[in-house]
Amino acid sequence: EAQVTQNPRYLITVTGKKLTVTCSQNMNHEYMSWYRQDPGLGLRQIYYSMNVEVTDKGDVPEGYKVSRKEKRNFPLILESPSPNQTSLYFCASSVFQGGRNQPQHFGDGTRLSIL
Amino acid sequence: EDQVTQSPEALRLQEGESSSLNCSYTVSGLRGLFWYRQDPGKGPEFLFTLYSAGEEKEKERLKATLTKKESFLHITAPKPEDSATYLCAVATGGSQGNLIFGKGTKLSVKP
Repeated sequence: EAQVTQNPRYLITVTGKKLTVTCSQNMNHEYMSWYRQDPGLGLRQIYYSMNVEVTDKGDVPEGYKVSRKEKRNFPLILESPSPNQTSLYFCASSVFQGGRNQPQHFGDGTRLSIL
Repeated sequence: EDQVTQSPEALRLQEGESSSLNCSYTVSGLRGLFWYRQDPGKGPEFLFTLYSAGEEKEKERLKATLTKKESFLHITAPKPEDSATYLCAVATGGSQGNLIFGKGTKLSVKP
């Protein structure tokens, strides 16, 4: 089954304790992306990756890091989490063909609470 | 500045009462406009992609249209199971991977 898998699904942690949210896709997609979703603000893009070793900032990258060492994995790293990073996070992936963006497949989300 | 605005924020319909959701955009070049449906506690689920003004796509009770400034999602004779938040996203010309989402329209369909 084609899917995007995020782990963990839920996490409560404390300010300053480094954490990683993993994202894996089994569709051989070139493009992967991270979003956060907050009430009243909608989905906002954090980082995206066009392919292995190619990453770029989205609209709200501050406080986050990513890496793309393998095609299937795109982890989101919070080196020193703060309470304003409490949010619902989504990972997504898609093919990228002929210079056109294609529909993204989304994971089920990770709810992060940082105290 | 690139912007995507959806209206209305919320819409309540009776079952069978057709209506339209709007997504207006101001972006520096359009690489694609996407409609998604999101149910509570779930990730967005893809509905339609539109690339050029004048393009239309249809699926069951939903029809998406695109002009140079906006897109409409028409819902014909909706059913309670169509209740969800509908999201519009635009891929901009400035950066190939950058996607901007609207804040969504929350649709409730009452039996």
